[in-house]
Amino acid sequence: SQQGEEDPQALSIQEGENATMNCSYKTSINNLQWYRQNSGRGLVHLILIRSNEREKHSGRLRVTLDTSKKSSSLLITASRAADTASYFCATDYGNNRLAFGKGNQVVVIP
Amino acid sequence: GAVVSQHPSWVICKSGTSVKIECRSLDFQATTMFWYRQFPKQSLMLMATSNEGSKATYEQGVEKDKFLINHASLTLSTLTVTSAHPEDSSFYICSARSITTSPNSYNEQFFGPGTRLTVL
Repeated sequence: SQQGEEDPQALSIQEGENATMNCSYKTSINNLQWYRQNSGRGLVHLILIRSNEREKHSGRLRVTLDTSKKSSSLLITASRAADTASYFCATDYGNNRLAFGKGNQVVVIP
Repeated sequence: GAVVSQHPSWVICKSGTSVKIECRSLDFQATTMFWYRQFPKQSLMLMATSNEGSKATYEQGVEKDKFLINHASLTLSTLTVTSAHPEDSSFYICSARSITTSPNSYNEQFFGPGTRLTVL
């Protein structure tokens, strides 16, 4: 199975700053998704970017995809305390099965 | 819409007992549900794919006799951890894929809030 893998980071930023996290994967993909998980809770789907897209925006989220480098980044602009969570990328390795990366823990300090 | 619930939200049991976790799609029908396990500060690992009316498909390394999955209806899948041991303590999360999702659409999965299992 392929694994999306983030650079193992724990980000601690001030409210209002931007947060950037990265993800790399191993095989070809149809799309890549980003999820957020608040502590001890389930996952919330944030955004999906298709393999033929290079950049996508959703509110304060900006996702980029570089299929030549097999990598993606998630940028959260103007962060808020409520953005404190773990963020995972995920890729589909067949039959809708998702492989999740290690996750990035983001702490936004008010 | 697209709400998935899990019950219980947490459970503590003695070693050797069996624990059943339910995953329900509340406002949509799900032909496919997925079960994941997440250890502290780690990522989610897919355990199995649960298909309504058929046997579950387990990922490599997951014992099917240990983790029994039943998907008896389009809104309910259950995961039973049999003869649980302390190493089975984990956070179990399910997700559900809507029946209305077209085969060629992207993987629209909705996740439950998770069940924290602690085996003493």
